[in-house]
Amino acid sequence: ETGVTQTPRHLVMGMTNKKSLKCEQHLGHNAMYWYKQSAKKPLELMFVYNFKEQTENNSVPSRFSPECPNSSHLFLHLHTLQPEDSALYLCASSQEANVGGGRTDTQYFGPGTRLTVL
Amino acid sequence: GQSLEQPSEVTAVEGAIVQINCTYQTSGFYGLSWYQQHDGGAPTFLSYNALDGLEETGRFSSFLSRSDSYGYLLLQELQMKDSASYFCAVLDNYGQNFVFGPGTRLSVLP
Repeated sequence: ETGVTQTPRHLVMGMTNKKSLKCEQHLGHNAMYWYKQSAKKPLELMFVYNFKEQTENNSVPSRFSPECPNSSHLFLHLHTLQPEDSALYLCASSQEANVGGGRTDTQYFGPGTRLTVL
Repeated sequence: GQSLEQPSEVTAVEGAIVQINCTYQTSGFYGLSWYQQHDGGAPTFLSYNALDGLEETGRFSSFLSRSDSYGYLLLQELQMKDSASYFCAVLDNYGQNFVFGPGTRLSVLP
């Protein structure tokens, strides 16, 4: 276990549904990330939160809405999704983002939520 | 734009040595990381290179050449449990986030 938990682990939803993915980290980190992993495609960064502030939004459609109420919790709210949004959604955390200077903070990943949109 | 290239699949036998290459083209570069992901599991961190040269951690080593925009992950004394996907990732110019490669699926045969 990496100290990052995600719920639910599996989710099936229709295109008209609204659901939320939850991520919680127990590592005392200040940065949290949402990634999308589709079959045979690279991990795609969706959102970055650093000290509860959103610092990155990689041209993600508005049907995905993140929320970071505190440094330990991250949500991804889903509404009117499309079948092509079916993927594994991974949450990660690190001590902080924007580290630069030749230093990195290791990202610790949660187990992911396998989302299927019908 | 940013892109990373890795071989899609590599196969080797137990006890062998395998090298997984990664070339990158990015607008900025702070370092190269490697992650391992077993089927159905989350990616786990293996190594990070910010400077040219070889970093060794047990059976795994990682190499970086910044002038060639190239790195590799070297796995020695392969074990069946090493069968997984391996991703290289570049820490971008702002140190803000990683851009991941497409992944290399390693199959270790008995």
